[in-house]
Amino acid sequence: AQSVTQLDSQVPVFEEAPVELRCNYSSSVSVYLFWYVQYPNQGLQLLLKYLSGSTLVKGINGFEAEFNKSQTSFHLRKPSVHISDTAEYFCAVSGPRVQGAQKLVFGQGTRLTINP
Amino acid sequence: NAGVTQTPKFQVLKTGQSMTLQCAQDMNHNSMYWYRQDPGMGLRLIYYSASEGTTDKGEVPNGYNVSRLNKREFSLRLESAAPSQTSVYFCASCLGATSLDGYTFGSGTRLTVV
Repeated sequence: AQSVTQLDSQVPVFEEAPVELRCNYSSSVSVYLFWYVQYPNQGLQLLLKYLSGSTLVKGINGFEAEFNKSQTSFHLRKPSVHISDTAEYFCAVSGPRVQGAQKLVFGQGTRLTINP
Repeated sequence: NAGVTQTPKFQVLKTGQSMTLQCAQDMNHNSMYWYRQDPGMGLRLIYYSASEGTTDKGEVPNGYNVSRLNKREFSLRLESAAPSQTSVYFCASCLGATSLDGYTFGSGTRLTVV
């Protein structure tokens, strides 16, 4: 079965500093990987996704993630964060197709706090 | 361009009461999902519907029922609410049966059971 582990529950950084949010996954089949962002009191929004091809994936708001098959990782990075990036970030992996649907399995979330 | 609409946004129930959470999408998506979000546990799948007329259990279905009323609407019912069901509930939809397109989420229903 697919599973996702986000290695940090909270990450505090200063504004304009770089940040990396770590995600490891386990899967016995080919995977599709996603990062979602949840701003306070809102639903989740898709940040970026890896389906195939280039292992470096660029998303919205200057974020990017690198798929590393040997390390089973999909870490999210941004070279310079802004106060507005304060949010909770979720890594997700697509599960197997069962009963006609292919469901997402989410990690526990990482709360990113940007300090001025 | 409403996307996924959930009602209500907030609800307080007494133990044993019942209620239905409503979800509607206007994107002609085929699959719909109900998740609950609890601190430190991420999102856990309650029920899903791969297409109109089908529903199936997710990871944590106990205490819940669902109805895929039509292609647009997917409701979640708590028959006898318990404090353990205090959570934030999210509905999501996806164009296809696979997750490759990514999900579109509603803004959530914050439920407190006292």
